[in-house]
Amino acid sequence: GAVVSQHPSRVICKSGTSVKIECRSLDFQATTMFWYRQFPKQSLMLMATSNEGSKATYEQGVEKDKFLINHASLTLSTLTVTSAHPEDSSFYICSHSGSADTQYFGPGTRLTVL
Amino acid sequence: RKEVEQDPGPFNVPEGATVAFNCTYSNSASQSFFWYRQDCRKEPKLLMSVYSSGNEDGRFTAQLNRASQYISLLIRDSKLSDSATYLCVVTYSGYALNFGKGTSLLVTP
Repeated sequence: GAVVSQHPSRVICKSGTSVKIECRSLDFQATTMFWYRQFPKQSLMLMATSNEGSKATYEQGVEKDKFLINHASLTLSTLTVTSAHPEDSSFYICSHSGSADTQYFGPGTRLTVL
Repeated sequence: RKEVEQDPGPFNVPEGATVAFNCTYSNSASQSFFWYRQDCRKEPKLLMSVYSSGNEDGRFTAQLNRASQYISLLIRDSKLSDSATYLCVVTYSGYALNFGKGTSLLVTP
């Protein structure tokens, strides 16, 4: 299956700072990537759909000015959490679609905001 | 959108037991169905797709009932390594996945 990497795998930052998370598709040109967030003991929730060369589509309740998504190439999408707060602490996972509606997930980024 | 409902468990079973998980989904237009497995602090990994005819992969059997909008997963002869959270997932073609909250399984010696 396709390989997706994320960087960093873990980040701890102070409240008010911005954090950038990279999602790379290593062997597949992904025109669309998805960003999910998972709080402890909760399901993965779709945050936004990242489209190469155009604006991301955000799910209801997700602030587009707070979670900046850039998908400048077919192999890289970035999510920047701006002015992070402790309630943004979560597990952020990216993915892209494969055949037959399967998804290939990155290993996730665990963000802790102090 | 809470489109996928699962019993969160936890299910604590001894090694060798058979365990069944259930899942219901609300959107009758859903097209594709999957079971994913997620280990603690890891990304989800596809366990198996689910078809109306039912499908089996070794000790795992998945069933889909479109009329009842119900999906099941049966694990036979449980192994310690089966301990994980099992996520029921539905999607439309080309759309992102809709995840259930997951059912936690702990297999004990």
